[in-house]
Amino acid sequence: AQKITQTQPGMFVQEKEAVTLDCTYDTSDPSYGLFWYKQPSSGEMIFLIYQGSYDQQNATEGRYSLNFQKARKSANLVISASQLGDSAMYFCAMREVWGKLIFGQGTELSVKP
Amino acid sequence: SAVISQKPSRDICQRGTSLTIQCQVDSQVTMMFWYRQQPGQSLTLIATANQGSEATYESGFVIDKFPISRPNLTFSTLTVSNMSPEDSSIYLCSVPPGTSGYNEQFFGPGTRLTVL
Repeated sequence: AQKITQTQPGMFVQEKEAVTLDCTYDTSDPSYGLFWYKQPSSGEMIFLIYQGSYDQQNATEGRYSLNFQKARKSANLVISASQLGDSAMYFCAMREVWGKLIFGQGTELSVKP
Repeated sequence: SAVISQKPSRDICQRGTSLTIQCQVDSQVTMMFWYRQQPGQSLTLIATANQGSEATYESGFVIDKFPISRPNLTFSTLTVSNMSPEDSSIYLCSVPPGTSGYNEQFFGPGTRLTVL
């Protein structure tokens, strides 16, 4: 069965420092996609970054990068130069079937000034 | 990228009543997805809404409780029927990537429902 695991319920980081949010997944399908979303207190889901299972390079989007280790089935999100506005819930998700996402439990990130 | 709107953005309802949530997309999509996020929890897929056919429900969700309509390729509704406080959640619709963006999957802004 497909599964996404985020083992860090909460994380703290000092402003301007980098932080890594962990995500591991389990699937038997060779073709899948991995996503990270940010959810502020307003409740909206903000797409951050995507990694395809066949992508050779780690995905990057501005201050966000995805540390994709396929053999270990991990897809950790790295946020560089943290900002106060980065404080939010972060969800890792996996897509196998078109459009259907399975989400991890989420990590609440707090950025300290 | 698709622009998705939802109505209402939030509502407070009495138990036993029903609420219909609307999802509008600015482009035609074959599938639309409805998710539920209970307080303090992650997102769970309720159903897939296909135009021209009945919705496909995930395990634990039934049509009598969450009827879905999909009258055209840009619009869908989700009804939460005979509500109880356990239905208090954020409900979000989502569409798969279009031809211009395989790597992105977007969500509507969500409907925050409180059942008293």
